[in-house]
Amino acid sequence: EAQVTQNPRYLITVTGKKLTVTCSQNMNHEYMSWYRQDPGLGLRQIYYSMNVEVTDKGDVPEGYKVSRKEKRNFPLILESPSPNQTSLYFCASRGGRLSYNEQFFGPGTRLTVL
Amino acid sequence: QKEVEQNSGPLSVPEGAIASLNCTYSDRGSQSFFWYRQYSGKSPELIMFIYSNGDKEDGRFTAQLNKASQYVSLLIRDSQPSDSATYLCAVSPGYTGTASKLTFGTGTRLQVTL
Repeated sequence: EAQVTQNPRYLITVTGKKLTVTCSQNMNHEYMSWYRQDPGLGLRQIYYSMNVEVTDKGDVPEGYKVSRKEKRNFPLILESPSPNQTSLYFCASRGGRLSYNEQFFGPGTRLTVL
Repeated sequence: QKEVEQNSGPLSVPEGAIASLNCTYSDRGSQSFFWYRQYSGKSPELIMFIYSNGDKEDGRFTAQLNKASQYVSLLIRDSQPSDSATYLCAVSPGYTGTASKLTFGTGTRLQVTL
């Protein structure tokens, strides 16, 4: 089954404690992205990756890091989380250059930073 | 100024009617346009994408793009209660194959009433 998986699905943490949210896809997709979704602000792109070792900033990259060492994985790293990073996070992947209709989102990770 | 604007709704339409959802964008260089549907508590899912002026039809859904006026719309014919969801418009600066940066609107909530 084609899918994007995220872990953990729910996380409560404290300010400053480094955390990683994992994202994995089993479709051999080239493109992967991270978004955060906040009430009234909608979905905002954090980072995206066009292939292994190729990443670029989205609209709200501050306070986040990503890496793309393998095609299937695209972890989101919060080195020093702060309360304003409390949000619902989605990972997404898309197929190759001409595969616009192959887009899938993960189930989401709800993060609370105290 | 928001880059992608949508009326937050709710837009209420009776079952069987046509629902019309609109989206305007500010970046005249935008090339690719997407509509996603998001049920409450779920991940977004892609409904349609369009990058040429005019209409694109897929089943009960029609996307309309007017680059000169900088708007894109989604029509849902024969609306069903199962269409009740939030509809997200997203815009990308790239042509097919290069578009990975996506900017979303805040979404329009659609309610289809019996």
